[in-house]
Amino acid sequence: QITLKESGPTLVKPTQTLTLTCTFSGFSLTTAGVGVGWIRQPPGKALEWLTVIYWDDDKRYNPSLKNRLTITKDTSKSQVVLTMTNVDPVDTATYYCARVPPAYGISAFDSWGQGTRVTVSS
Amino acid sequence: DIEMTQSPSSLSASVGDRVTIRCRASQTIENFLNWYQQKPGRAPKLLIYTASHLESGAPSRFSGSGSQTDFTLTISSLQPEDFATYYCQQSHSSFTFGPGTTVDLK
Repeated sequence: QITLKESGPTLVKPTQTLTLTCTFSGFSLTTAGVGVGWIRQPPGKALEWLTVIYWDDDKRYNPSLKNRLTITKDTSKSQVVLTMTNVDPVDTATYYCARVPPAYGISAFDSWGQGTRVTVSS
Repeated sequence: DIEMTQSPSSLSASVGDRVTIRCRASQTIENFLNWYQQKPGRAPKLLIYTASHLESGAPSRFSGSGSQTDFTLTISSLQPEDFATYYCQQSHSSFTFGPGTTVDLK
């Protein structure tokens, strides 16, 4: 069974750095083709893809947020960490992590965490 | 950057209706188009990948079609559990989600 779970602070002050951790089980980030990504959703708004990291440490970022995001993985802990610098109230959202499956030709998020709500406020 | 649009932004339908949602990419994405369903307070669920492939466990009343820039999600006979928001997503060049289409009860 594949599970992913996001963890981190629920409240962050403007200008601070937000660090979120995705802890997963049921698959390995050493398997060829596998990726773990981060997606967020502000209250009442659409999904926004942020970043993804693949089994071979290839990393992709949303161009509009690239300068503020860093994604890393710790395969021994089955964790992926998202860091977002200089947060602003517009970064208030539910943050999801999700898996890209190892199947060839399938570039989609097939398993998702429950999401973690982050509020940016002073 | 590839931008995604969806139409309509919302629609009202009845149980049993055939529902069609359209998605358009700002440039060709071949068949790298996925569809997700999201219910309030829940994480999205993958329905369709690479334009027309039904995800394991997704009901067969959902189907996808299209290629290049124009894509369609069809629900052949709307069921009560299908009232939700649907998002398309391109995966040709990283990822981009569309703005979503909300399906509610007429």
